[in-house]
Amino acid sequence: DAGVIQSPRHEVTEMGQEVTLRCKPISGHNSLFWYRQTMMRGLELLIYFNNNVPIDDSGMPEDRFSAKMPNASFSTLKIQPSEPRDSAVYFCASSFGGNRGEQYFGPGTRLTVT
Amino acid sequence: TQLLEQSPQFLSIQEGENLTVYCNSSSVFSSLQWYRQEPGEGPVLLVTVVTGGEVKKLKRLTFQFGDARKDSSLHITAAQPGDTGLYLCAGDRSNYQLIWGAGTKLIIKP
Repeated sequence: DAGVIQSPRHEVTEMGQEVTLRCKPISGHNSLFWYRQTMMRGLELLIYFNNNVPIDDSGMPEDRFSAKMPNASFSTLKIQPSEPRDSAVYFCASSFGGNRGEQYFGPGTRLTVT
Repeated sequence: TQLLEQSPQFLSIQEGENLTVYCNSSSVFSSLQWYRQEPGEGPVLLVTVVTGGEVKKLKRLTFQFGDARKDSSLHITAAQPGDTGLYLCAGDRSNYQLIWGAGTKLIIKP
């Protein structure tokens, strides 16, 4: 049974470029989370979707970040324009039953913005 | 403000030793989860504790939820190099958001 799938695994881009990260949650899960992890700030929740609807995006750093979930099996996190301080590992996680449910993480996308 | 304090932040010990990691808060949680994260991977759920005072065992790992459901501990007996990783606790406050600890980086030297 496939877990959460993320792509790409690694992304290196120049400052100012658009970056799109992709996530396929576990089939049947109705909640999806985007996190960012850095050494300095640890694991930070960026946005939470429930039944494809964004419930809380207060963790999104600024307007340069946007996320969509057009259907139950796909979500994107876009950064436009990217900046060096966006360099981090971005994780997608899914769960069943809302945030109380146990979360299953993808392998992450390591983003480097030069 | 860190709502869920983990300690120690870093621990390096020899194979065969015992260790305890703590997760403390002033807030009450309806449940608390422990995850382990290895380099280059996402966190993987180890256990969820729900009832105050609950103890769960996973081989050499023992997890305990405080009686008041504000704190938790993870005890590893006879640590093995395979236990190396980042251990994260996460508390559920009965809303949509998990509160995450900063993590404990554990290194077990052979």
